[in-house]
Amino acid sequence: EIVLTQSPGTLSLSPGERATLSCRASQSVNNYLAWYQQRPGQAPRLLIYGASSRATGIPDRFSGSGSGTDFTLTISRLEPEDFAVYYCQQYGSSPFTFGPGTKVDIK
Amino acid sequence: EVQLFESGGGLVQPGGSLRLSCAASGIIFSTYAVSWVRQAPGRGLEWVSAISGSGGSTYYADSVKGRFTISRDNSRNTLYLQMNSLRGEDTAVYYCAKGASEWLYVNDHWGQGTLVTVSS
Repeated sequence: EIVLTQSPGTLSLSPGERATLSCRASQSVNNYLAWYQQRPGQAPRLLIYGASSRATGIPDRFSGSGSGTDFTLTISRLEPEDFAVYYCQQYGSSPFTFGPGTKVDIK
Repeated sequence: EVQLFESGGGLVQPGGSLRLSCAASGIIFSTYAVSWVRQAPGRGLEWVSAISGSGGSTYYADSVKGRFTISRDNSRNTLYLQMNSLRGEDTAVYYCAKGASEWLYVNDHWGQGTLVTVSS
């Protein structure tokens, strides 16, 4: 089973600041890496797939990078609606595991 | 517009069974993989199970293997999760999620979830 580790656990930032979230895999996921956003009381929403491709309708302030085992989600300038929990998921090999999440909250 | 609607959740005693359903609309259902993902209260997302577009390939998390069975009826555009031998740790909101293609298990659309509570 591929284990995903996300850091930090919580990121406290102000609107307008840049957020950098990390996801590390226990072995290579061949770029089959996705990022999801979950706001309180809502279902998750796909942001990034294939490590760096934005999903339909996702603003360009969200970007993904990385390959192999180390991946990054960057939010260039935080908007109020971006304060949420972010999960990475590998979908290259079953079980298609999620990371534990990073909470981005308002400083 | 893609829509996924889960149903079948509720309160069940430990050791009991429950069958969840997920009705899909707005897509050619048979051309997409679909998955079940759950979230225990106050916890993170946990991938549970997935099935290919044709139904010929199924995948399970170790935590549910042998107890849960995923299936689909492409003629009814519906995904199922049969859950047997339920335990307290199975208490969660269960989401169904559509894959990006028949074999690609990245989840590009999600339902709103159905709550399963396992308690005596």
